[in-house]
Amino acid sequence: DAGITQSPRHKVTETGTPVTLRCHQTENHRYMYWYRQDPGHGLRLIHYSYGVKDTDKGEVSDGYSVSRSKTEDFLLTLESATSSQTSVYFCAISEGQKRGRPYGYTFGSGTRLTVV
Amino acid sequence: GEDVEQSLFLSVREGDSSVINCTYTDSSSTYLYWYKQEPGAGLQLLTYIFSNMDMKQDQRLTVLLNKKDKHLSLRIADTQTGDSAIYFCAESGGSASKIIFGSGTRLSIRP
Repeated sequence: DAGITQSPRHKVTETGTPVTLRCHQTENHRYMYWYRQDPGHGLRLIHYSYGVKDTDKGEVSDGYSVSRSKTEDFLLTLESATSSQTSVYFCAISEGQKRGRPYGYTFGSGTRLTVV
Repeated sequence: GEDVEQSLFLSVREGDSSVINCTYTDSSSTYLYWYKQEPGAGLQLLTYIFSNMDMKQDQRLTVLLNKKDKHLSLRIADTQTGDSAIYFCAESGGSASKIIFGSGTRLSIRP
């Protein structure tokens, strides 16, 4: 989607290695999110950020950390990858809740991560 | 806690109407959303409805909201092969700027 890019698009890594996924936006949106998508589970929130250096945990944050040192970049790190972290990871951005109008997300195209 | 539920699969014949249903738990939701995900792509916002509305129509799409029963539906008229996708129901789950997604309904089209 225009204004938000994820890298890499595909990655295969070995169990126990660290992995960092990057989300980059050009929309200057305040909020950024990392989700994972697995069959039967839909989208589950890992971490999100509501500003530079301001982050919070989602429902499945164990084994993941994030950093946001600039408005445009939100990094997701798997400190020591496990096979259960094989998934498709989506980044999303949002302007946030504003009176009188919705704040739908804009999603990136996803990163397919395989941990072997 | 906040939860959004929808059935996993729906199969319809080309040209028929598709109806995808969703239930949610958070009565404080301000907006409810339908997102569409095509194969290999991220989610795209399809339509949304404000919680004080009962119905919203947008070309072939009709969204119905029953706030009393916390039930949301998406009707796609004259379903085409290009409508094959996963459809996610979502709500603005009370806390600021977080959206809660359902598990998605995979819509397949029969000739």
